[in-house]
Amino acid sequence: KAGVTQTPRYLIKTRGQQVTLSCSPISGHRSVSWYQQTPGQGLQFLFEYFSETQRNKGNFPGRFSGRQFSNSRSEMNVSTLELGDSALYLCASSGQPTSGTYNEQFFGPGTRLTVL
Amino acid sequence: QKEVEQDPGPLSVPEGAIVSLNCTYSNSAFQYFMWYRQYSRKGPELLMYTYSSGNKEDGRFTAQVDKSSKYISLFIRDSQPSDSATYLCAMSYNDMRFGAGTRLTVKP
Repeated sequence: KAGVTQTPRYLIKTRGQQVTLSCSPISGHRSVSWYQQTPGQGLQFLFEYFSETQRNKGNFPGRFSGRQFSNSRSEMNVSTLELGDSALYLCASSGQPTSGTYNEQFFGPGTRLTVL
Repeated sequence: QKEVEQDPGPLSVPEGAIVSLNCTYSNSAFQYFMWYRQYSRKGPELLMYTYSSGNKEDGRFTAQVDKSSKYISLFIRDSQPSDSATYLCAMSYNDMRFGAGTRLTVKP
């Protein structure tokens, strides 16, 4: 079974631009969660989507948004990029929702975003 | 104060040593406790999962949760160079909260 895939793996943008990251979950998984990983803050939860609906959202500004398609693939968008948005963005898939309960999550390799 | 505290290390041990990794937390609502391992340029992978207090053993790995002390631990016995990675504790009740991660190096 193929794992979670994320594209692109590396991205360089400048301040003020916007960016879209993509995540394809494991086949059959309908839950996709997004995380931001930085050296200073560690891994922080952004949001979770299940069956095209956002189930939960972390404490990030509205510049961070996401969506999920009918095939469970998910995209994350960051508008008006700031230097502090430089991070590794990880997505994780699960067969069932993870918010409020436990279902094993499988992480992708991440997209390394650098904002100049 | 962060909800989940984890010493970032780095921690360096000789091959065969017993490794002890720990996290403390402040939110008593956490019910699910996990340990992840993350190799360089890879996403985290689940090592151990525990619900509520207690111990769980899987091969060379033992996870302990003490909810009364708000303290969780991961022990690695007979550590190997292939165990060199960053270890992240995580816990959840509504969404996941991660520790900062401890970078472990096991020297041959």
